[in-house]
Amino acid sequence: DSGVTQTPKHLITATGQRVTLRCSPRSGDLSVYWYQQSLDQGLQFLIQYYNGEERAKGNILERFSAQQFPDLHSELNLSSLELGDSALYFCASSAQTGYADTQYFGPGTRLTVL
Amino acid sequence: TQLLEQSPQFLSIQEGENLTVYCNSSSVFSSLQWYRQEPGEGPVLLVTVVTGGEVKKLKRLTFQFGDARKDSSLHITAAQPGDTGLYLCAGAGGTSYGKLTFGQGTILTVHP
Repeated sequence: DSGVTQTPKHLITATGQRVTLRCSPRSGDLSVYWYQQSLDQGLQFLIQYYNGEERAKGNILERFSAQQFPDLHSELNLSSLELGDSALYFCASSAQTGYADTQYFGPGTRLTVL
Repeated sequence: TQLLEQSPQFLSIQEGENLTVYCNSSSVFSSLQWYRQEPGEGPVLLVTVVTGGEVKKLKRLTFQFGDARKDSSLHITAAQPGDTGLYLCAGAGGTSYGKLTFGQGTILTVHP
């Protein structure tokens, strides 16, 4: 158990819909990262928040957005869903934001868009 | 854009054999991390290397960071069925803060 929790574990929805994925970081960790894992693209970095502020952005679509709340939990919002958005979405947290900081990954949310 | 090429993509071996997984890039990374991922779970960190030429050992696993900090390798000695899983290398550094760039992964199967 990494200490990072993600809900829900599975999500099945239809194209055009909007969903929200939730992540609670390990106690004391200030940094939260979101990653998408698909068979063809592998694990791709989406976005990072540090203590409530956006720190880095990866290949995140404009239809996707995220935020980190004062209690440090984070939400990833995916809208106008397409079939290609079906993937595993992982949240990770680390104490700070350094390149050598260990990132602890949650169990992931499996999103299926039908 | 930083890219990490990981090879081989698939590895199927017998128990007791040795194996090496490679991770190469044309970019310099400040750190290189190796993860192992089981089906239905998130990646779990095995090791972080930060110094060029660094070698770290974790029981039967040996990790090496290239002198130029552009490549890394994972060597497993006397593989066991419990080593079966997806192995991922990931690089971090530069102005990207802690964000990780992952390789495509190596699916290792060790047969008893």
